[in-house]
Amino acid sequence: QSVLTQPPSASATPGQRVTISCSGSSSNIGSNYVYWYQQLPGTAPKLLIYRDNQRPSGVPDRFSGSKSGTSASLAISGLRSEDEANYYCAACDDNLSGRDVVFGGGTKLTVL
Amino acid sequence: QVQLVQSGAEVKKPGSSVTVSCKTSGGPFSSFPISWVRQAPGQGLEWIGRIIPIVDITNYAQKFQGRVTITADTSTSTAYMELNSLRSEDTAVFYCAREWELLPGYFDYWGQGTLVTVSS
Repeated sequence: QSVLTQPPSASATPGQRVTISCSGSSSNIGSNYVYWYQQLPGTAPKLLIYRDNQRPSGVPDRFSGSKSGTSASLAISGLRSEDEANYYCAACDDNLSGRDVVFGGGTKLTVL
Repeated sequence: QVQLVQSGAEVKKPGSSVTVSCKTSGGPFSSFPISWVRQAPGQGLEWIGRIIPIVDITNYAQKFQGRVTITADTSTSTAYMELNSLRSEDTAVFYCAREWELLPGYFDYWGQGTLVTVSS
């Protein structure tokens, strides 16, 4: 059972916009930054969003993050077939050491 | 270009221990924490712990406290993760990742992963 809650799956057609949610609590999302990772099959995760809504260099602006209270969202616009992957949210949790990282269970995105 | 290269796949018996290494290159080693994350087959990501090599400080997830030891050798820019008392549920891919100390959870470079299979 993951500390952060994500829907197990999402789907959309090419060109559409899809949103993936991540729900937590006041001890994690509510008081710490949220990160989003993309994991393609058989590969290591890749950082997509940091500090709730910042994109590392090289990440297309089709990817955007937002946060409100104890929930966060990842939005992907102009969906492409290569976006089909698993997406994970992450945050630190103050209930633990304060620097422990917790992940969501992941959302498998299917591009129809 | 920063690279993290991990040791190869392991097959272990229940009750034994495994050590996975993570050699970094292309960037400073000591000043960045190295975290370890595991992923059971078909499952999500799970943070195990981290080490900050420059001060040799470690943090471990409560779930792994007492069973995991993370160390670093600054002379070879290599981090190690030892997991003891292995059980079948520990079968997973283990990743090391470079982290930013002021942004815990910010993993910008990852190793390729090491599959550890625990089977009798």
